[in-house]
Amino acid sequence: GESVGLHLPTLSVQEGDNSIINCAYSNSASDYFIWYKQESGKGPQFIIDIRSNMDKRQGQRVTVLLNKTVKHLSLQIAATQPGDSAVYFCAEPTGGKLIFGQGTELSVKP
Amino acid sequence: DTAVSQTPKYLVTQMGNDKSIKCEQNLGHDTMYWYKQDSKKFLKIMFSYNNKELIINETVPNRFSPKSPDKAHLNLHINSLELGDSAVYFCASSQDFRDEQYFGPGTRLTVT
Repeated sequence: GESVGLHLPTLSVQEGDNSIINCAYSNSASDYFIWYKQESGKGPQFIIDIRSNMDKRQGQRVTVLLNKTVKHLSLQIAATQPGDSAVYFCAEPTGGKLIFGQGTELSVKP
Repeated sequence: DTAVSQTPKYLVTQMGNDKSIKCEQNLGHDTMYWYKQDSKKFLKIMFSYNNKELIINETVPNRFSPKSPDKAHLNLHINSLELGDSAVYFCASSQDFRDEQYFGPGTRLTVT
């Protein structure tokens, strides 16, 4: 089976609210995770990454949290905007390839 | 300038036909990939090439044959197309598999 997975397939938030997208992984030796955003009709695009020696990493309006104890990571989007509507994937490079999680579709209500 | 380009964007064909999808990257990357995305958005790697050499072949039917004429190109040829081949196919490139991958816009293949 896949080494990464997501709790929810869809998430709907009000514009301006914060969004939290979750991801679980199974391999305790995993040391690097990446979040990708895929807008409708386009290919996935890198958002942010985090290494296992960090608990938190911040980007522009996005924060990724890594909890190695429970093998869980999350992507937080602050002040969600309509342009954030997309499918979000967590991914892990392992065994010479990138393994993608299931994906969460984020919808932003105006 | 497009970093990773694919042609065609859409491909509609009948079962049993043979078709090709082309991919080019102008990023100077050493590694290129083909992914398949199904109707539930599940994204799975099919092949990876590093400097024109096959590195990963994820138990893809041998009807699928990738070809890398040079480091900047990775084409995908599919023989005897089946209904289950209908999906969106993405090409991607990176310097190494642990580096950020840049994806093309995808090719939506519909087999009727």
